[in-house]
Amino acid sequence: GEDVEQSLFLSVREGDSSVINCTYTDSSSTYLYWYKQEPGAGLQLLTYIFSNMDMKQDQRLTVLLNKKDKHLSLRIADTQTGDSAIYFCAERGSGGSYIPTFGRGTSLIVHP
Amino acid sequence: GEEVAQTPKHLVRGEGQKAKLYCAPIKGHSYVFWYQQVLKNEFKFLISFQNENVFDETGMPKERFSAKCLPNSPCSLEIQATKLEDSAVYFCASTLTAGAQETQYFGPGTRLLVL
Repeated sequence: GEDVEQSLFLSVREGDSSVINCTYTDSSSTYLYWYKQEPGAGLQLLTYIFSNMDMKQDQRLTVLLNKKDKHLSLRIADTQTGDSAIYFCAERGSGGSYIPTFGRGTSLIVHP
Repeated sequence: GEEVAQTPKHLVRGEGQKAKLYCAPIKGHSYVFWYQQVLKNEFKFLISFQNENVFDETGMPKERFSAKCLPNSPCSLEIQATKLEDSAVYFCASTLTAGAQETQYFGPGTRLLVL
């Protein structure tokens, strides 16, 4: 089946930028998502990007997509302690089932 | 604000007992998904609904799991004869549309512990 890979941990200092990377295998991916999960909570959709886009910016968040390499990244500018959470990358194709495939999440730790 | 509601928050069952979980999607959302989060981070798709109709149930272990989304009622996920490996957090998500402006909302989850 399709696969989405992420590194498990990222540690950054408060105020620095964080870059969380994700690779996927499905060449028919149409939608690519970034979710945030705080302890004991559900997933919060942060942003998504269509496969025909290279970049999307939303306040402190910048998503970059390299479709040729099937690589997606999420950059968080001026990272704050409140950004500490698990970040999930997910993708889905344009087929009828609308089921996203999730990565296993990257734990972002922000220290002072 | 709009939220997907899930009840109960926590559920403890002895092995072999039944477990029933509920999800109230956001009003107006057409699609409902159930996921199982095990091993801390891994998400497994179980089933999806388009309105009251099963849309995709390829992830469901059908011998013990069943789900419904009936009109004017919360959606439900039922596990007959729970097993230890069913211990997980079960998330429900609702989606406005599968089209271009897609908005997905996840509920806070139900944590099921099977002893």
